[in-house]
Amino acid sequence: NAGVMQNPRHLVRRRGQEARLRCSPMKGHSHVYWYRQLPEEGLKFMVYLQKENIIDESGMPKERFSAEFPKEGPSILRIQQVVRGDSAAYFCASSPLLAGGTGELFFGEGSRLTVL
Amino acid sequence: GENVEQHPSTLSVQEGDSAVIKCTYSDSASNYFPWYKQELGKGPQLIIDIRSNVGEKKDQRIAVTLNKTAKHFSLHITETQPEDSAVYFCAASRGAAGNKLTFGGGTRVLVKP
Repeated sequence: NAGVMQNPRHLVRRRGQEARLRCSPMKGHSHVYWYRQLPEEGLKFMVYLQKENIIDESGMPKERFSAEFPKEGPSILRIQQVVRGDSAAYFCASSPLLAGGTGELFFGEGSRLTVL
Repeated sequence: GENVEQHPSTLSVQEGDSAVIKCTYSDSASNYFPWYKQELGKGPQLIIDIRSNVGEKKDQRIAVTLNKTAKHFSLHITETQPEDSAVYFCAASRGAAGNKLTFGGGTRVLVKP
């Protein structure tokens, strides 16, 4: 009964490179959320996706960041032209699609991005 | 949008004592309030949650209380143990599937043996 799987767990990039973070939700879950956690801070919502649709991207920076959740395969958070301020832990969470749903989120172990 | 404030930011207790963490929220439409525990280098894990139709919920040494009128909710850990040391986050949402959680800033709890 695998949980939310994220990879890579650790990623090092130089300024200007691209970072791709992947998330496979729990089996049977069709909602995916991405959160960012800066060192010593709380989790900040970035984006919420269902299969092939972005539902809420109100927390995504306007530039360089994008997310997708294709019909097949994991959800991907993509950061182009990374800067030092992008260094953070990025967490993916999933929840099931239930009528009158519970809102309960299950988190992965996170991907820790370091930008040199 | 929703805003969740959490206090204190750090809490040090002696093993066996109780720990209390308090949160306030701003959106009166929020009706789902989970608490997460995050250990170093790991993802947040749900430890208990409460919905707005309930004022209190208990699970062994952990309890959560909710005051909808005042828009605040609290986590109580009794008989603390060293393995309770972690960062705890409160959160709030409108509860239905698809509604995002808004997190508090976290409380770092240290249980001293």
